Amino acid sequence: NAGVTQTPKFQVLKTGQSMTLQCAQDMNHEYMSWYRQDPGMGLRLIHYSVGAGITDQGEVPNGYNVSRSTTEDFPLRLLSAAPSQTSVYFCASSYHPGKNTEAFFGQGTRLTVV
Amino acid sequence: RKEVEQDPGPFNVPEGATVAFNCTYSNSASQSFFWYRQDCRKEPKLLMSVYSSGNEDGRFTAQLNRASQYISLLIRDSKLSDSATYLCAVNEFGGYNKLIFGAGTRLAVHP
Repeated sequence: NAGVTQTPKFQVLKTGQSMTLQCAQDMNHEYMSWYRQDPGMGLRLIHYSVGAGITDQGEVPNGYNVSRSTTEDFPLRLLSAAPSQTSVYFCASSYHPGKNTEAFFGQGTRLTVV
Repeated sequence: RKEVEQDPGPFNVPEGATVAFNCTYSNSASQSFFWYRQDCRKEPKLLMSVYSSGNEDGRFTAQLNRASQYISLLIRDSKLSDSATYLCAVNEFGGYNKLIFGAGTRLAVHP
């Protein structure tokens, strides 16, 4: 069972480069989200989606774009990478966030911007 | 002020000890509460949901205090394998629901 799959697992970018972090889930979950994790900061919500075509901003959305064209995929785009975006990025999905349902996480993408 | 706050620790305890973590949240409209466990360099995984009446799963007990807006996690008879970071999470209701995490509390259990 694949669950939530993130690619790539590791990435080094130069300042100003763009890239897309991929996230796919095969559990038919409506709710998907992106978090970044920095030392001492826990998981901070970047963007989330409650279904195909619907996205909203989280706690730290600046510098990131998302779209949700299908239920399965929720890519995160960095248009112009900055060193402050060096972090570990986690994608998560759940059936519904408003009930006591489990959020499943991908294995993370470790991004370094130099 | 962060919406969900936790004591970052670390909590260093011997095997067999009882340890308790607290987590406070600021949005009084929050409805769902969770504890996640995260091992070093791994993704978070659900430990347990927190129900209004409190709930227990083996050595783990979770409590919710809506009046004071905090949740707690009690671990009894700590094992070496309990060493991890424990994250509380709160489902915040607004235009769309969103799951907000605390910064996590690190637990180190030693022999």
